[in-house]
Formats: sequence, structure tokens, C-alpha cells
Amino acid sequence: TQLLEQSPQFLSIQEGENLTVYCNSSSVFSSLQWYRQEPGEGPVLLVTVVTGGEVKKLKRLTFQFGDARKDSSLHITAAQPGDTGLYLCAGAGLRGTYKYIFGTGTRLKVLA
Amino acid sequence: DAGVTQSPTHLIKTRGQQVTLRCSPKSGHDTVSWYQQALGQGPQFIFQYYEEEERQRGNFPDRFSGHQFPNYSSELNVNALLLGDSALYLCASSTPGTVNEKLFFGSGTQLSVL
Repeated sequence: TQLLEQSPQFLSIQEGENLTVYCNSSSVFSSLQWYRQEPGEGPVLLVTVVTGGEVKKLKRLTFQFGDARKDSSLHITAAQPGDTGLYLCAGAGLRGTYKYIFGTGTRLKVLA
Repeated sequence: DAGVTQSPTHLIKTRGQQVTLRCSPKSGHDTVSWYQQALGQGPQFIFQYYEEEERQRGNFPDRFSGHQFPNYSSELNVNALLLGDSALYLCASSTPGTVNEKLFFGSGTQLSVL
């Protein structure tokens, strides 16, 4: 069974601080996606990483896929209240499977 | 261009009842996946429909069934509701093609079972 564990589970920080969220698994994924979900809404895709060791930047957000494609991290620089939300990683299975396995989620609150 | 739409937005049922949730995919998408998200948890995969057939299924009992129509819209049916079925039910549509396809989610249906 493929499982994705995220840490930390909850995070409350002040505006302007930096943070890193981790997504770990014992399984290899063909790709990994990060989503942000706000209350009352569905998750919204932020980024997809495909290659081991890949790093992608989206403004103040930096995403990295582990070399072995088993883990990923999301780093936010100078967090803002608008970054508040539930961050989810989702792994696409190896060839032949179609479902996405979602992580346990990290709930981030950025205080002004 | 309408995104993924789900109905109803909220629903209250009692134990033992049956419920049907509906989803219209984003224009141009032909694959629909259903997820259950319990409070404070990540979404759990229920099943995926493609070409009007269930292509893959997660670890959910047979009480959960679905259907996809020729216009690619989909329904999720849950029979004999249990208190534990209370959750946000999310529909996601995607483009055809590779395994690494992007999911576009609707806002979900919040189901409460009393």
C-alpha cells in the first residue's frame, strides 16, 4: 500500500517567516503534485514534479522532488496570510495505475 | 469555461438512507475521479470512470457505486449510509492521456449522516 506522510500536520507562523513542509513515502512515484485547499473548496493544483531531484519555483514557493522519487518538500519564503490553507501532496502511481494517493495534509496558518 | 461542478453542495441524511451525488467535468475532460475527504484528512480515492466504465477502484465497500454518462458527467451513489460516511465528497476531472495527468477538483459535496 502506498502511503504519503506529511509533516508537520499543523503549522502556525507569523507573516514573513519561512517554512518547509515534507511529504514522505516508502514507495516510488512516477510524479508528485502539490495542492492547496481552502475551506469549502476543492484542492487546487500548484505544481507537478516528475524527475528525481527536480526543483520548481512558483513565486515564493519552492518544490523539490527527492532523487529516489519517494519524497518531496515545499518551502515557502516570507509567508503571507494569503498562504493560509491545507497543503496536500499527491503521488501518481507507477505505470499501470491511474489513481493519485494523497498525503495526510499540512494545515498552515499565517498570522498577520 | 466552466470548471468542475458538483451538486448538491450540502446534504443531510440519516443512517440507512441512500444518496446520489453529481459531477460535471471541466470542458474537454473525459475522466472523472471521486474522492472522500474526512475532516482534517487528505482525500481518499474512491474510484475513477473513463469511457463510461469504472477503470480503477480504491478501498471502499460495494455500498459505494458510480456511473458515467455519455456526456462524461458522473454520479456517486452510496447505499445504507453509515455515520462514518460523513465527509466532503470531491469530484476531479482530468484530461485523457498519461498517468501524470492533472486533476481539476470541484468544490465538493458536504455530506452529513445523522
